[in-house]
Amino acid sequence: AQKVTQAQTEISVVEKEDVTLDCVYETRDTTYYLFWYKQPPSGELVFLIRRNSFDEQNEISGRYSWNFQKSTSSFNFTITASQVVDSAVYFCALSEAGLTGGGNKLTFGTGTQLKVEL
Amino acid sequence: DAGVTQSPTHLIKTRGQHVTLRCSPISGHKSVSWYQQVLGQGPQFIFQYYEKEERGRGNFPDRFSARQFPNYSSELNVNALLLGDSALYLCASSLGGEGANVLTFGAGSRLTVL
Repeated sequence: AQKVTQAQTEISVVEKEDVTLDCVYETRDTTYYLFWYKQPPSGELVFLIRRNSFDEQNEISGRYSWNFQKSTSSFNFTITASQVVDSAVYFCALSEAGLTGGGNKLTFGTGTQLKVEL
Repeated sequence: DAGVTQSPTHLIKTRGQHVTLRCSPISGHKSVSWYQQVLGQGPQFIFQYYEKEERGRGNFPDRFSARQFPNYSSELNVNALLLGDSALYLCASSLGGEGANVLTFGAGSRLTVL
């Protein structure tokens, strides 16, 4: 069975600080995908990134960066120079590779509430 | 382009009643998935439909059912409501291609069961 653990329930930082959100996953599949989603107070989940299990290169997108390490089954997310608008709940999720028409079953972690204060 | 739209946004029901939630996917998306998010938890997978056929079902009782229409919109039905069914119900659409699709979520339907 697949499992995603986000051990940090809530993190509070002051604006401009860097913050890392941890994600540890479990799966028996050799091919799988990892995601991060952001959920602002409005409730709508916003897609941030998708990585497949064969691509371990770290990725940077503006102030966001992701560190994927298969050896430790982790897919951590770092926000550099955090801003108040980054305040939200962040979810890490895991999916098996699906055939056409499938592959939409995401297993989510419990989320990390990030609060960025002035 | 419009995103994923869900209706109603909020609703209150009593135990034992029935509820129907509706979802319109992004134009061109052929797959719709439903997730339940209880307060303080991550979303839990309920169903996935692709080209009007069920392609996945999560660990939910038979009181939960869904269908997808020819225009790719979808309905989620829950019968004999229980207090524990109170949650945010999220619909997501995707193109439905091979691999793990990027899901685009709607804002959800918040159901309160009294």
